[in-house]
Order: sequence, then C-alpha cells, then structure tokens
Amino acid sequence: AQTVTQSQPEMSVQEAETVTLSCTYDTSENNYYLFWYKQPPSRQMILVIRQEAYKQQNATENRFSVNFQKAAKSFSLKISDSQLGDTAMYFCAFMKPTGTASKLTFGTGTRLQVTL
Amino acid sequence: NAGVMQNPRHLVRRRGQEARLRCSPMKGHSHVYWYRQLPEEGLKFMVYLQKENIIDESGMPKERFSAEFPKEGPSILRIQQVVRGDSAAYFCASSDTLTAPREAFFGQGTRLTVV
Repeated sequence: AQTVTQSQPEMSVQEAETVTLSCTYDTSENNYYLFWYKQPPSRQMILVIRQEAYKQQNATENRFSVNFQKAAKSFSLKISDSQLGDTAMYFCAFMKPTGTASKLTFGTGTRLQVTL
Repeated sequence: NAGVMQNPRHLVRRRGQEARLRCSPMKGHSHVYWYRQLPEEGLKFMVYLQKENIIDESGMPKERFSAEFPKEGPSILRIQQVVRGDSAAYFCASSDTLTAPREAFFGQGTRLTVV
C-alpha cells in the first residue's frame, strides 16, 4: 500500500516570500502521479499542480513549482511570491493508475499561513 | 459546465438516525469517489463507483455505510444509525476515462455533525 507523509503540520511565510512544503511517499510502483491540492477555509479541494512520475522535468504552474526526486521519493512544493490568498491547508496526494480509476492517497496536510 | 455538486453542505443528525449524502458528478463523468476527512486530518478514500457498480470499497467501514451510483440520478452515500465518530466532512470527486491522468474534480463537501 502507498503512504504519503507530510512532516510539517504548520508553516508560516511572509507575503512576497518563498516557501517550500515537503512531501515524501512510499511505493513500489514505477508509474504513478503526484498532486498538490489546496484546501482554503471554504473546504473546496483545489488542484494546484500535478506531476507524472515518468517525466523528469519538474512541473510548474505560475508561482507554484515542484521538486520531484523520484529516487528519494520526494515531492516538495515551492510557492514563490506568496500571497495572502495562498493561506490554506495543502495536501500532497499519490495516485497509482489502475484501469480507469483515479483513486488518491493523501498526506495529513500542511497548514500554511501567509502573513503581512 | 457545472462542477461536482454535493448536498447538503451541512447536515446535523442525532445519534441513531440515518444520514444521506448526495453527489452529482461533473457532466460526462462516469466515475465517482467518496472520501472522508476527520477533523485536522487528510482525506481518506472510502469507495469508488461507476454507474450501477461498486468498483472498490476497500476504505468503507464494514457496517452501517453503503454507497450507490444509479443509472439515473446522483451518487448516494448512506450512513445508518450514525454515531458521534461519524462526524466529519465527506467529499465526493468525479473523473472521466478520457483525461490523462484522469484528474479527479472535487465537490465542496458535506459536513456531517452527529449530536
């Protein structure tokens, strides 16, 4: 079974600064996908960024980028130029493609507070 | 194109009552997933359904919980004889078979409170 570990329960960053959230996972699979989801106080789960394991290039979406280290099974999220609206819970998630399924395994989350 | 719709957003039940949570997937999506989020925890997979079929219920408690996704209408997560430990946010997600990597789109969740 896959496991996802987020070792930072809470993080704080000043507006306009950069912050990195850590995520490690354990799997014996070679082909899989990794995701970062944002959950603001509204509780809506919002996909921030995704990474296919077979791609060596790190994914980037505007101010969000990942550092994917497959051998180390590490998948960290970097948020540049942090904004107040980035305040939220951030969840790392793993998906093993199985047939047509999109079943996700989540970490316990990191609560990010962006301050003035 | 409406997103994943869950209702109700908030549900209060007394111990021993039944809770019925509804999820309408995105248009064109035939796969539905239910997750449970206990306070201060991440989402835990419960069940995966396709139309009229339960594909994977490995995360579903063995008793009191059931799920369905009929040919017509929303997916229903049903919790019988609720207990305080069932208090949680329940999220539904849907996906299709066409998009790689079959991204799952989430609803806003139903917060169940058992009093």
